[in-house]
Amino acid sequence: DVKVTQSSRYLVKRTGEKVFLECVQDMDHENMFWYRQDPGLGLRLIYFSYDVKMKEKGDIPEGYSVSREKKERFSLILESASTNQTSMYLCASSYGNEADTQYFGPGTRLTVL
Amino acid sequence: ELKVEQNPLFLSMQEGKNYTIYCNYSTTSDRLYWYRQDPGKSLESLFVLLSNGAVKQEGRLMASLDTKARLSTLHITAAVHDLSATYFCAVDPGTASKLTFGTGTRLQVTL
Repeated sequence: DVKVTQSSRYLVKRTGEKVFLECVQDMDHENMFWYRQDPGLGLRLIYFSYDVKMKEKGDIPEGYSVSREKKERFSLILESASTNQTSMYLCASSYGNEADTQYFGPGTRLTVL
Repeated sequence: ELKVEQNPLFLSMQEGKNYTIYCNYSTTSDRLYWYRQDPGKSLESLFVLLSNGAVKQEGRLMASLDTKARLSTLHITAAVHDLSATYFCAVDPGTASKLTFGTGTRLQVTL
């Protein structure tokens, strides 16, 4: 069974703090993704990575950065959290095969006060 | 820019009834995915549709893809309460597994 885990289920931070969200997958997947999910907007892609140290911007990268130092781990960084980054953050991974579905982690609900 | 639209956004249906959720998308693609999300939970993969005319079935759910019409449908047969969830379609425009999601259809099956 594919397992994608995220470091926290719930997180509360203050405006201006630096925030790290961690994602780990145990299936040797090449691709990893970070999304945010907001009511009425569906899932929107923030960043994705094809391989270690590789990253590509998604649809809404502003205010975020990512790091992939090891194949199994993909981190999302909010350099200076703002209230409009309050959201549910979902990590996903998939094989390098372009037709493969994505497997999602449980999500981190981040609240920025 | 690829747009993916689902309708309806919310669907309340009685147990035993049939209904269809529609997913329209704006650019050419022959790869479409359906996911289910239970309240407070993450997304679970339901179907992967990889060619025109593809049809997949699992229990009371059946998904199909018409790439010429840029339309996928998720048909629910004889709904049961356990199917209550939010359903998302997602389209891969061919850019290395990068998916664009619809806004989701929240399905509520009542007794």
